[in-house]
Amino acid sequence: NAGVTQTPKFRILKIGQSMTLQCTQDMNHNYMYWYRQDPGMGLKLIYYSVGAGITDKGEVPNGYNVSRSTTEDFPLRLELAAPSQTSVYFCASSQRTSGAHLRNEQFFGPGTRLTVL
Amino acid sequence: GQQLNQSPQSMFIQEGEDVSMNCTSSSIFNTWLWYKQEPGEGPVLLIALYKAGELTSNGRLTAQFGITRKDSFLNISASIPSDVGIYFCAAHDSWGKLQFGAGTQVVVTP
Repeated sequence: NAGVTQTPKFRILKIGQSMTLQCTQDMNHNYMYWYRQDPGMGLKLIYYSVGAGITDKGEVPNGYNVSRSTTEDFPLRLELAAPSQTSVYFCASSQRTSGAHLRNEQFFGPGTRLTVL
Repeated sequence: GQQLNQSPQSMFIQEGEDVSMNCTSSSIFNTWLWYKQEPGEGPVLLIALYKAGELTSNGRLTAQFGITRKDSFLNISASIPSDVGIYFCAAHDSWGKLQFGAGTQVVVTP
């Protein structure tokens, strides 16, 4: 299994440009997530999905959009790039269980380093 | 927002020394996780803890789920150069929402 894969690894955008960050997982996980990581900071949740066709906002969703048409793919869209979106973006997935034995160990991709100038 | 207080922020240690870091919170959690992130890579899950008081090892790594369910610690014994990286704690409550600490940067000198 490749696990969680992300493309591209690096990207430089000009202010106002748009792009899509790709994320694919081959573990048949139900949940998928997008995080951003700023220098010296922990991970902040942007959006997440509980399954195909269902997405919801995380802590910092402004300026981003997501879709989940399949179990495997969870792309993140930036419509009008701004310097504040310069960050490292991580996609993650988990096979979340429920009930008394709740499990939500998340597995991360290698990240996309985005710079907006 | 972030509710996990992770310390120390950074550690500079000599090869062979033991390392200890911890995470505390004012909230109760059901699961504690420890991740390691190497430069240019995504976080990798090291240890998962599911019960208060649980002590789990993974090679030279040992982690414990605090008895109050509000804290956890990670120890690395006999550090080696490849232990360099940022170690993150994470925890989730009964709703499954995962929260992360800010990370502990570990630097190992020969």
